[in-house]
Amino acid sequence: DVKVTQSSRYLVKRTGEKVFLECVQDMDHENMFWYRQDPGLGLRLIYFSYDVKMKEKGDIPEGYSVSREKKERFSLILESASTNQTSMYLCASSTGTGVHEQYFGPGTRLTVT
Amino acid sequence: AQTVTQSQPEMSVQEAETVTLSCTYDTSESDYYLFWYKQPPSRQMILVIRQEAYKQQNATENRFSVNFQKAAKSFSLKISDSQLGDAAMYFCAYRTSYDKVIFGPGTSLSVIP
Repeated sequence: DVKVTQSSRYLVKRTGEKVFLECVQDMDHENMFWYRQDPGLGLRLIYFSYDVKMKEKGDIPEGYSVSREKKERFSLILESASTNQTSMYLCASSTGTGVHEQYFGPGTRLTVT
Repeated sequence: AQTVTQSQPEMSVQEAETVTLSCTYDTSESDYYLFWYKQPPSRQMILVIRQEAYKQQNATENRFSVNFQKAAKSFSLKISDSQLGDAAMYFCAYRTSYDKVIFGPGTSLSVIP
């Protein structure tokens, strides 16, 4: 079974703090994704990566950056957390060939106060 | 730009009955994939069913089936013999040719015993 893990299920940070969200997948997937999930808005893509050291902006990249130094790990960084970044963050991975269905992590619920 | 619409924010079904969740999408592409994902309360998002646009036959997975109408750009999910474990948020999703996946806003399904 594919397993996607995220470093924290719940996180509380203060405004202005630098926040790191980690995601690890164990199936050698080429593609990795970061989404944020908000009620009524579904999942919105923040960043994605096709390969190590490669990254592409999604639909809402402002205020975020990412890092992919190893194939299995994809980190989301909030450079200076703000209250409007309070949300559920989901990581996903998929193969680079075929159907590309995505496998999701359990999510991190981030609260910025 | 591709968009995915789910017009039913909430739905309910009696246990053992059948329910249909609606999804429409907008695209100019001819070849793509469509998905339904399920997110149970406080649990990981999982794939329910997928459909390749080039296939005319509707996909089926046990009690779950889709009605794919390519010309109408409609992709509804039918759940037969509903069970309590089907209660979840359901997301319709479209995969673009660039491997991005666009999600609809979701439909919250309640199952009444």
